[in-house]
Amino acid sequence: DTAVSQTPKYLVTQMGNDKSIKCEQNLGHDTMYWYKQDSKKFLKIMFSYNNKELIINETVPNRFSPKSPDKAHLNLHINSLELGDSAVYFCASSLHLTGELFFGEGSRLTVL
Amino acid sequence: LAKTTQPISMDSYEGQEVNITCSHNNIATNDYITWYQQFPSQGPRFIIQGYKTKVTNEVASLFIPADRKSSTLSLPRVSLSDTAVYYCLVVLNTNAGKSTFGDGTTLTVKP
Repeated sequence: DTAVSQTPKYLVTQMGNDKSIKCEQNLGHDTMYWYKQDSKKFLKIMFSYNNKELIINETVPNRFSPKSPDKAHLNLHINSLELGDSAVYFCASSLHLTGELFFGEGSRLTVL
Repeated sequence: LAKTTQPISMDSYEGQEVNITCSHNNIATNDYITWYQQFPSQGPRFIIQGYKTKVTNEVASLFIPADRKSSTLSLPRVSLSDTAVYYCLVVLNTNAGKSTFGDGTTLTVKP
């Protein structure tokens, strides 16, 4: 069983569209994250949820909205997609606020 | 949060020991040092974490001097499958998410 799974793995869409990426973890962890990895491989935290509560919200455009329906799921919805949103988005989880991060395999978003 | 600096790339040969150094001059008292490995088209994977001195596990060792302003990841006897990007990460001990990934070191192991 995959510990942290994301869907879709690949997403190609047009500018201006709205899209969502889903993430699920079966590790029983309390904390989940979204990271963005750009073409230069820089990994940056976007959001973090602990027990379904938003605890980290870095400088991310309002077009990005995370939603955590329960501790095992953290989804990312993006409105009005722009070219600069093209990147690989990684979901991760950790047992608590501290500790090892477990990453999903990433969702590659390409905006045309 | 402490910024980290790593070499952009390193080359090695199979069977050699590889040492990758990370600089984190502004590390705070409560920060830990963690290293992750990332293969193409995969998410980063935890390798090792330490606070001071030396930590060793089945895949790597982590050396941290007394001033903690740098750390060195040591990979013994690398193989071709160790070719990957290695990230040094300074982790706030109260919130792993509030951590800064370095730019990563691309390690290429040659036969």
